[in-house]
Amino acid sequence: NAGVTQTPKFQVLKTGQSMTLQCAQDMNHNSMYWYRQDPGMGLRLIYYSASEGTTDKGEVPNGYNVSRLNKREFSLRLESAAPSQTSVYFCASSEQGQGGYTFGSGTRLTVV
Amino acid sequence: SQQGEEDPQALSIQEGENATMNCSYKTSINNLQWYRQNSGRGLVHLILIRSNEREKHSGRLRVTLDTSKKSSSLLITASRAADTASYFCATDLNNDMRFGAGTRLTVKP
Repeated sequence: NAGVTQTPKFQVLKTGQSMTLQCAQDMNHNSMYWYRQDPGMGLRLIYYSASEGTTDKGEVPNGYNVSRLNKREFSLRLESAAPSQTSVYFCASSEQGQGGYTFGSGTRLTVV
Repeated sequence: SQQGEEDPQALSIQEGENATMNCSYKTSINNLQWYRQNSGRGLVHLILIRSNEREKHSGRLRVTLDTSKKSSSLLITASRAADTASYFCATDLNNDMRFGAGTRLTVKP
């Protein structure tokens, strides 16, 4: 099935641990995004990649790094997790100017 | 900010009634989009309206856009229990899309 696949679906980290959230899309989209969703705050953009080889900061990039590995894959890394990074993380992809974003099912991350 | 803000925050109606949700924003946009999110799931794209369009329809959905007032509305007609979800507007400017906090819609059978 075409779409956006995120792994893992759930993760618990201890403060200071690192981890990488994986995202892959099979729709040949140029643009990919990472958002976080916190209760009552909607989605906030962390980083995006308009095309392979480029990445840009979004609204809340601090504490995160990203890698656009190839056209299909866009990973999000937490180098030293903090409780404030407890959230649900969504990856999305799109073809600019051709419609809406396609979202993955999310990664629920808890930092204790 | 560019970010959209939905109104109301929560809406409860009976099956068969219409539901109207509003979105306001503060900057220029290329387009505005509406998404639905069922509890515990990812967002699903519903409809996109470009800045030079005023109204679009898709099935039971009707979206309007007033760029002079920087506002949009989403109308769901003849609502069903399955429409129960959170609805988000998102404003897109040069590949940077920002979401509002959403309207939580409950449709009672």
